[in-house]
Amino acid sequence: EAQVTQNPRYLITVTGKKLTVTCSQNMNHEYMSWYRQDPGLGLRQIYYSMNVEVTDKGDVPEGYKVSRKEKRNFPLILESPSPNQTSLYFCASSPLRASYNSPLHFGNGTRLTVT
Amino acid sequence: GNSVTQMEGPVTLSEEAFLTINCTYTATGYPSLFWYVQYPGEGLQLLLKATKADDKGSNKGFEATYRKETTSFHLEKGSVQVSDSAVYFCALRPYNTDKLIFGTGTRLQVFP
Repeated sequence: EAQVTQNPRYLITVTGKKLTVTCSQNMNHEYMSWYRQDPGLGLRQIYYSMNVEVTDKGDVPEGYKVSRKEKRNFPLILESPSPNQTSLYFCASSPLRASYNSPLHFGNGTRLTVT
Repeated sequence: GNSVTQMEGPVTLSEEAFLTINCTYTATGYPSLFWYVQYPGEGLQLLLKATKADDKGSNKGFEATYRKETTSFHLEKGSVQVSDSAVYFCALRPYNTDKLIFGTGTRLQVFP
């Protein structure tokens, strides 16, 4: 089954403790992206990647890192989480611009709480 | 700049009522327009899309028409069901980019 898999689904942590949220897709998509969803703000893009070893900042990249060492994986890293990073995070993927109307495929989300 | 404005929710309807969720956009050039739906506890799924002016996207009884003159892409359904209860996001993709810009989402609650 074609899917985007995020782990974990729920995560509670404390300020300053490094964490990684994993994302993997099995559709051979070039484009991958991370979003955060907050009430009243919709989805905001954190980082995206057009292909292996190519990553770029989205609209709200501060406090986050990503890597794209393999095509299928795109982990989101919080080196020193803070309470304002408490949010619902989504990973998404799609084929690249050649068919730029292709929809994004989303994972089921990771609810992160930083205390 | 590029942006999407959606009506605030929640929208509360009885089963079989007519649904409209308003969406307007600001964009340069000719963006593509999308509606995504998020069911409880899940990620977003594409509901429908339109890629040029006057296109009508449709799926599962939902429809939306790309209106360039009014920069709108309103979502409609003639008869909603309880299972349509979800959050609906309008989104645009500027021409020749991979970036997707989302509205703030509108929660729909349908009661029997």
